[in-house]
Amino acid sequence: AQKITQTQPGMFVQEKEAVTLDCTYDTSDQSYGLFWYKQPSSGEMIFLIYQGSYDEQNATEGRYSLNFQKARKSANLVISASQLGDSAMYFCAMREPGGGADGLTFGKGTHLIIQP
Amino acid sequence: EAQVTQNPRYLITVTGKKLTVTCSQNMNHEYMSWYRQDPGLGLRQIYYSMNVEVTDKGDVPEGYKVSRKEKRNFPLILESPSPNQTSLYFCASSWTSGNQETQYFGPGTRLLVL
Repeated sequence: AQKITQTQPGMFVQEKEAVTLDCTYDTSDQSYGLFWYKQPSSGEMIFLIYQGSYDEQNATEGRYSLNFQKARKSANLVISASQLGDSAMYFCAMREPGGGADGLTFGKGTHLIIQP
Repeated sequence: EAQVTQNPRYLITVTGKKLTVTCSQNMNHEYMSWYRQDPGLGLRQIYYSMNVEVTDKGDVPEGYKVSRKEKRNFPLILESPSPNQTSLYFCASSWTSGNQETQYFGPGTRLLVL
């Protein structure tokens, strides 16, 4: 079963509009972390925002905020006032404890295109 | 500037010719890892290291080796590359402090094995 599900393969949004990118996750652990990354066409993975499972407040970083709904296992990324430079692939990822790996499990990504 | 660097950024090689992709971080992070990214499969962890001289397999370790002789460096070694190792490779390092954590990724290495 997929641990991270991003249901929107692609999105077109008008410049200056707010964007919500969906992410749901599946875990039985109580302690976990959720991440969002941006990958522009140049290929690098850019860290955007982090939410810990015990954080009661939604994380915010500039124009990015994470709408964390723990009971629904949802961690949507909200980008306010979108800009042309926001066009990129966006990945949601989860870190679970244990298993030794501490690595991230990634979703398949959402390709966001901002239109002028 | 805090960063993770990888070299080379682009590499074309032939089957069987040993290669090494270097990774270095200047943030004194203990945890480092390697991922590969493939269309339709997303990012998958190859190997990780919790600290110097401590390494372990991730999800797709076959055909790869790593070493962690010093904290800042975590090279990825392909002893005998094959075409199915053509991919985009990322090195990452991470830290945890209280409730905050992050994983920083390097710029990526595009590898083509002919």
